[in-house]
Amino acid sequence: GAVVSQHPSWVICKSGTSVKIECRSLDFQATTMFWYRQFPKQSLMLMATSNEGSKATYEQGVEKDKFLINHASLTLSTLTVTSAHPEDSSFYICSASRDIYEQYFGPGTRLTVT
Amino acid sequence: SQQGEEDPQALSIQEGENATMNCSYKTSINNLQWYRQNSGRGLVHLILIRSNEREKHSGRLRVTLDTSKKSSSLLITASRAADTASYFCATDETSGSRLTFGEGTQLTVNP
Repeated sequence: GAVVSQHPSWVICKSGTSVKIECRSLDFQATTMFWYRQFPKQSLMLMATSNEGSKATYEQGVEKDKFLINHASLTLSTLTVTSAHPEDSSFYICSASRDIYEQYFGPGTRLTVT
Repeated sequence: SQQGEEDPQALSIQEGENATMNCSYKTSINNLQWYRQNSGRGLVHLILIRSNEREKHSGRLRVTLDTSKKSSSLLITASRAADTASYFCATDETSGSRLTFGEGTQLTVNP
């Protein structure tokens, strides 16, 4: 149990376009979902925390108008990178939490902006 | 912000040897977790140790936690080539809150 999927697994888009990444908890209801960004050979940086039905809480320095997060249900959260630029190219990882202890991570989405 | 620091940043060993990775953090924590990440993939949860625990075992993994020194170590015994990956520690300050990841250790196990 506790499987989290992400779609797409990789995406290439042109500068200025928007990209949506989905994160789904497949076999459990996630009270909270988290979005992370990871640059090559670096650690994960938390971007935002979202609870179903409420606005996401963004970390300092993360532009909420650029990285739109929608937590529509207890099994689905989406991250939309708006007006993408090459510097947004990164590995985006979501995680879902169903209890107070553990987060279950998705396989990640590789975004390349050309 | 990242509060965890890990050392070494990179570790290369031979198959069968033990690998030890260390993690330090700055604030009080509720628990500390270790994760593994294969290149370009998501994270796999390895083990969680609570702040009131000092040592925990899971298969070939042994984790210690010293809250007085704000540090933890992950020991992988009898390493295998398949253990090659990046290993991250992560802490949370209160239950159910955001995780803060360390910088990670890149482990290479040579066959």
